[in-house]
Amino acid sequence: ETGVTQSPTHLIKTRGQQVTLRCSSQSGHNTVSWYQQALGQGPQFIFQYYREEENGRGNFPPRFSGLQFPNYSSELNVNALELDDSALYLCASSLGVVENTEAFFGQGTRLTVV
Amino acid sequence: TQLLEQSPQFLSIQEGENLTVYCNSSSVFSSLQWYRQEPGEGPVLLVTVVTGGEVKKLKRLTFQFGDARKDSSLHITAAQPGDTGLYLCAGERTGGSYIPTFGRGTSLIVHP
Repeated sequence: ETGVTQSPTHLIKTRGQQVTLRCSSQSGHNTVSWYQQALGQGPQFIFQYYREEENGRGNFPPRFSGLQFPNYSSELNVNALELDDSALYLCASSLGVVENTEAFFGQGTRLTVV
Repeated sequence: TQLLEQSPQFLSIQEGENLTVYCNSSSVFSSLQWYRQEPGEGPVLLVTVVTGGEVKKLKRLTFQFGDARKDSSLHITAAQPGDTGLYLCAGERTGGSYIPTFGRGTSLIVHP
């Protein structure tokens, strides 16, 4: 139990649709990072938010966007879904953006695009 | 090309055996972290190693950071079925942003 919860746990969408995934961070954590984990792969960094501002972005197209709210919950939005977007999406919350800060992961949202 | 290469990719062993998994890179890291991920769950941090040559022990798990801070190993003694899972290493590069880069992981199955 990490104190980080994600919703929904599973989701099926059709190619071309849009999806919003949600993450509730551990209490007091002002930083959230989102990762995409394809089957058989390690998590790939999508972006990070710190105090409601984007603090870094991985190699993902602009149709992947995010928001972080004052209560430190966050959203990952994906537009124009493609079949290759099928993956486990993980959020991780942490306190600050300093080196070696421990990140706590949620259980993930399993997205299937058909 | 993966920044962090993990080997082996898959490992299937019997309870009681010892094993070592590796995490290698050509880049220098300010720190390396090891995680275990079980099916349907997110990764859980096991340990962070920071100093070159550092060795950390967590019960039957021994973690080592290479002297040059480019590689790391995880050794499990007398593996148990509860050790089954995906073992991921993640590194924060020196001079980079404080965002860890993950390897593909080693999938371990320990049979009773």
